[in-house]
Formats: sequence, C-alpha cells, structure tokens
Amino acid sequence: QITLRESGPALVRPTQTLSLTCTFSGFSLTTAAEGVGWIRQPPGKALEWLAVIYWNDDIRYSPSLKTRLSITKDTSKKQVVLTMTNMDPTDTATYFCARRLGVLNFDYWGQGTLVTVSS
Amino acid sequence: DIQLTQSPSTLAASVGDRVTITCRASQGIAKYLAWFQQKPGQAPKSLIYSASTLQSGVPARFSGSGSGTDFTLTISSLQPEDFATYYCQQYSAYPLTFGGGTKVEI
Repeated sequence: QITLRESGPALVRPTQTLSLTCTFSGFSLTTAAEGVGWIRQPPGKALEWLAVIYWNDDIRYSPSLKTRLSITKDTSKKQVVLTMTNMDPTDTATYFCARRLGVLNFDYWGQGTLVTVSS
Repeated sequence: DIQLTQSPSTLAASVGDRVTITCRASQGIAKYLAWFQQKPGQAPKSLIYSASTLQSGVPARFSGSGSGTDFTLTISSLQPEDFATYYCQQYSAYPLTFGGGTKVEI
C-alpha cells in the first residue's frame, strides 16, 4: 500500500523559510523511474507544479520558483524535504507531495497541508 | 512553458449525462497528458495517463483520447460521485504544467 503524508508548519511569517517534509511508504525511491514531486494549490485556484526529485538524484524545479526552492531526499528515512525561501502571502496554498513513476506520472498523492503566510 | 487550456471552465450536468471536457496544449505533447479528479478538501486523484490509459481502479465510464495538442476526457454516464473539478496535466516537457480546471456541477 502506497501512502504519502506531508508535514510542516501551518503558519509562516513573510520572508521566512518554509520547510515541508513528505514521508512516504510502500515504495523506496531507489527504483528506476521513481520520483517524488511537490505541487501546490492556492485556495480556490488551480494546481501548480513546484519540484521533483528522482531515484537517481535528478532534480527539476519550476523555473518561476527555482531560485527559492530546494528539494532533497533521505531514502533511509523515506522522506523528501522541500524548502522554500522568502515566503510571501501569495505563497499561501495547500502543498501536496505525490509519487511520480515514469509514464504513470503522479499516481499517488498525499492529503496535502495548508500553509498560510501571514504576519 | 507549455500552456494547457481547458474548456469549459464550468459544466452543469445531470446524473446519467455524457460529459466531455477538452484540454488544448500550446504545442505538441504527443500523448504525455494526464487527467485528475479533485473533490473539495481532497487531494487530486489520478484518472488517466498517457492520454488514454486508465489508472488502476478507475471506473470504465471514464475515458481519454487525443494526441498532439487536443485532448478530451469523457464520462460516459455521469454518476453522483463524479461531481468534482477535473484537471489535465502535461509531462512532455519541464516545467510540468496543469490546466486551469473544469468544475462539473449539478
């Protein structure tokens, strides 16, 4: 059974750095074509892809946010961490992590975690 | 970036209706297109990948078609549990991008 769960602060102050952890089970992130990505969704708006890290340490970022994002993995802990610097109220959103597996794309998702950026 | 335009943005339908949602890409993406269903307060659920392949466990009333720039998601007979917002997503090139969504309502 594959599960993913996001964790992190619910409230972040403007200019602070956000760190979110995706803890997964049911897969290893060491198998070819496996990856874990982050996607966010502002309230009432569409989905936006942020970053993905693959089994072979290949990493891709959204160009519009690349300078603010960092994604890392710890396969022994079965965790992927997303860091976003210089948070702004416009970054208020639900943040999801999801498994990516080749052409199956994002097949399993976490339930999401709402992050509010406010002073 | 590859832009995905979904239409309509909102669709009113009844149980039993045949529903079609379209997704147009700003450039050719072969068949690297996925469809997701999202209900309020829930995570997106993967329905279709590679434009037309159903994810495991997805009811057969859902189908996808298309290639290149024009794609459709069809629900052959709308069920009460299908009222939701649907998103397309391309994975032909980075950055991965999503459409703006189509809300299917009663």
